Amino acid sequence: QITLKESGPAAVKASETLTLTCSVSGFSLGDSGRGVGWIRQAPGKAPEWLALYFRDNDRRYTPSLRRRLTIYGDTSKNEVVLRLVNVDPGDTATYYCTYTPGGWSYNWGPGTLVTVSS
Amino acid sequence: EIVLTQSPAILSVSPGERASLSCRASQSIASNLAWYQQMPGQAPRLLIYGAVTRVTGIPARFSGSESGTEFTLTISSLQSEDFAVYYCQQYLNWPPWTFGQGTRVEIK
Repeated sequence: QITLKESGPAAVKASETLTLTCSVSGFSLGDSGRGVGWIRQAPGKAPEWLALYFRDNDRRYTPSLRRRLTIYGDTSKNEVVLRLVNVDPGDTATYYCTYTPGGWSYNWGPGTLVTVSS
Repeated sequence: EIVLTQSPAILSVSPGERASLSCRASQSIASNLAWYQQMPGQAPRLLIYGAVTRVTGIPARFSGSESGTEFTLTISSLQSEDFAVYYCQQYLNWPPWTFGQGTRVEIK
């Protein structure tokens, strides 16, 4: 059974860096085709794709946030980390990590709400 | 960027009735479409992928269909637990994959 769990700060201040960790169980990072993605959802809005990690040489970012995002994997801990620099209140959202075997998000973590204050 | 337009924004249905939710893509995405259900305060749950393939464990009353760039999620007989927000998502090409704006199914 695949499970994912997000962790990180509940609140950050504008201009700071947000670092979120996704702990994965049920499969090993780096397994061919098994992607872990990050999606966020602002209150009352539709989800928004942020980034995908398949392996160290296959990381993908949504263009609008490309300059502010970094995603990487720690295979020793089976974790995927997302960093978002220079946050502002518009980054307030629930952040989810997902198991994405082929474009669809088959499993989701419970999500973590991050509030950015000015 | 591929835009997905869902309609209607809100669908009022009585329990036991049939519901049809639409998702239209701004360009061809073949069958690269998924449907999710989101209950209040919860993460989305995958229902359908490949436009028509139902996830294991999802009730058979949920079905997906496609016609060109028009996709439909049908709930054949609404149960109380089906009142939720439904999103479609395309995954033809990255970047980026995109979601529709959602359809809220509410009790009539």
